[in-house]
Parts: sequence; C-alpha cells; structure tokens
Amino acid sequence: DIVMTQSPDSLAVSLGERATISCKSSQSVLYSSNNKNWLAWYQQKPGQPPKLLIYWASTRESGVPDRFSGSGSGTDFTLTISSLQAEDVAVYYCLQYYGVPRTFGQGTNVEIK
Amino acid sequence: EVKLVESGGGWVQPGGSLRLSCAASGFTFSSYNMDWVRQAPGKGLEWVSYISSSSSDIYYADSVKGRFTISRDSAKNSLFLQMNSLRDEDTAVYFCASSSGHIKDWGQGTLVTVSS
Repeated sequence: DIVMTQSPDSLAVSLGERATISCKSSQSVLYSSNNKNWLAWYQQKPGQPPKLLIYWASTRESGVPDRFSGSGSGTDFTLTISSLQAEDVAVYYCLQYYGVPRTFGQGTNVEIK
Repeated sequence: EVKLVESGGGWVQPGGSLRLSCAASGFTFSSYNMDWVRQAPGKGLEWVSYISSSSSDIYYADSVKGRFTISRDSAKNSLFLQMNSLRDEDTAVYFCASSSGHIKDWGQGTLVTVSS
C-alpha cells in the first residue's frame, strides 16, 4: 500500500498569511503514460463532507478560490493557501489515487493564530 | 447540481448486517466510477471500496474484504454497500462519492454505529 504522510499535523497561521501543507507518498504517484501525478487535496469543515480542492496535484477544481494552489511531483507535494481567510479553517487531506487501495494522508488541521 | 444522498445507517450489534444506499442525481451516474469512504468519530478519512462505471472492476480495503460488498444499479442511479459481520471498528460516517480518477463529489454521509 502507498502510505501518505502529511506535515504538520496542525498549523496556526495569521489571517492574510501563507499556509503550507506537505504530503509525501511512500512511492511515486506519477503515472508515466499520461505524465500526471495521481494526487488530490480536500478540505473538510466540521460536520461537512470533504470538498475537492485540487486534482492531478496542481489542477484547481472549478469554483475553488485561486489562493489555493497545489505543487509537487513524484513523492513530494504541497498545498499552499496564499493568504489565509477565516473561512479556510478546516482539516486538509491529501489522497493518492494512483494505486489500490486509495490512501489518504492523516490530515492537517489549519486554524487562525 | 450533483447530489449524492446516503441512507441506511443506524445502530447494529457486533456481527450484524446493514445495507447502505446512495441515491445519485444531477449527473450521468452510469458514466462515473463510485467509491465508499468512511470516517470514524474524530478520525481521518479511510477509503472503503470502489466500483467502476460498468461494475467490471471492484476493489475493497483489506479491513472490509470478505465482509462488505459494493454494487450499483444504473437504472435506478443508486450505489449500495452491503455490510456483514460488522465490528466495533466499523463505526463511522460512511460517504458515497463519485470519481473519475480522483474522488470528486461527496454525499453528506450516513452514520453507522456498531455497539453492544
């Protein structure tokens, strides 16, 4: 199984500042046949289902604010919130969909400092 | 608007069974792969099972293999999860989700509680 490890587990950032979350996979999720990284990012607020933010590691889902961006390739990925807003307080998860079983990171809790 | 509505959750004793359903609307259900993902109280997300659009490919997490069965009825735009031999550790909110590679849209979830 591909193990996904996020860091940090928790992050406190001032409003308007940058938040950066790391996700590392135990093996590459770059699929050579389409040169895409099979990695997605989700945001989950309390009492709500997860919401897709980013797929193919860096493609923003329609309707997601452009302050959210994804980067990385192979085994190392980053989700960046360029200017944290109050509504961004949530838990963020990465997911690899390269192999079965699909595996999530353990989650990163983002709060306001 | 994409809508996924789960039902069938509830309380069950260890060793019991439940059948979850997910009613899909707002998209061409027969063209999408579907997943079940669960979340134990206060914990992270755990992928449970996947079924391809044609039902030709089916996968399960090791933790549920041999106990859970995923199926779909495209004529009724519905996804199912038959859960047998339930254990305490199966207690969770179960989400159904559509996927095309990545998991895209999620339902609100249905709570399954396994307890004596």
